Amino acid sequence: DIQMTQSPSTLSASVGDRVTIACRASQSISTWLAWYQQKPGKAPNLLIYQASTLETGVPSRFSGSGSGTEFTLTISSLLPDDFATYFCQQYSNYYTFGQGTKLEIK
Amino acid sequence: QVRLVQSGAEVKKPGASVKVSCKASGYIFTSYGISWVRQAPGQGLEWLGWISPYNGKTDYAQKFQGRVTMTTDTSTTTTYMELRSLRSDDTAVYYCARGRPPRYLVDYWGQGTLVTVSS
Repeated sequence: DIQMTQSPSTLSASVGDRVTIACRASQSISTWLAWYQQKPGKAPNLLIYQASTLETGVPSRFSGSGSGTEFTLTISSLLPDDFATYFCQQYSNYYTFGQGTKLEIK
Repeated sequence: QVRLVQSGAEVKKPGASVKVSCKASGYIFTSYGISWVRQAPGQGLEWLGWISPYNGKTDYAQKFQGRVTMTTDTSTTTTYMELRSLRSDDTAVYYCARGRPPRYLVDYWGQGTLVTVSS
């Protein structure tokens, strides 16, 4: 099974900050990597797929990069609506999710 | 618009079975897969398996093989997930989610169904 490891588990930041979340795969997944945002009591929402492609309707302050085993999600300038939990997911071989990164207000 | 509407919350005793439904609308049902993912309270996301509404082909996570069954009814565009021999650690919110080909990227999610297993 492919394991996905996210860091950090919790990230404290302020509105307007630039933040980066990392995701590492236990083996190469090419660019078969997605990022989701989840708010309390809600289903996840797809932000980015194939490592760097923005899903339709997602603001351009979100971006993704990486290939192989190392990936990042960057939010260029945080808005209040961005404070949530973020998950990475590999879909190279079945599906595995990272454990999540909670982005909280500093 | 794409919608996945799931059945309501369930409370089950250990050893029982639960069957959750997921009704799809707003797209061609047989052109996309459906995955089931669960999330235990305060925990991360865990994939249970996948079904193709086109031909009924399934793929289950090894952890759940023998305990989970996924089916579809194309006449009602509904997918079902049955989990048997429930244990307390099966308590979770269960989501259905659409898989976009060719790699069946999970793009739209249902609202979730809370399954509570308690004696």
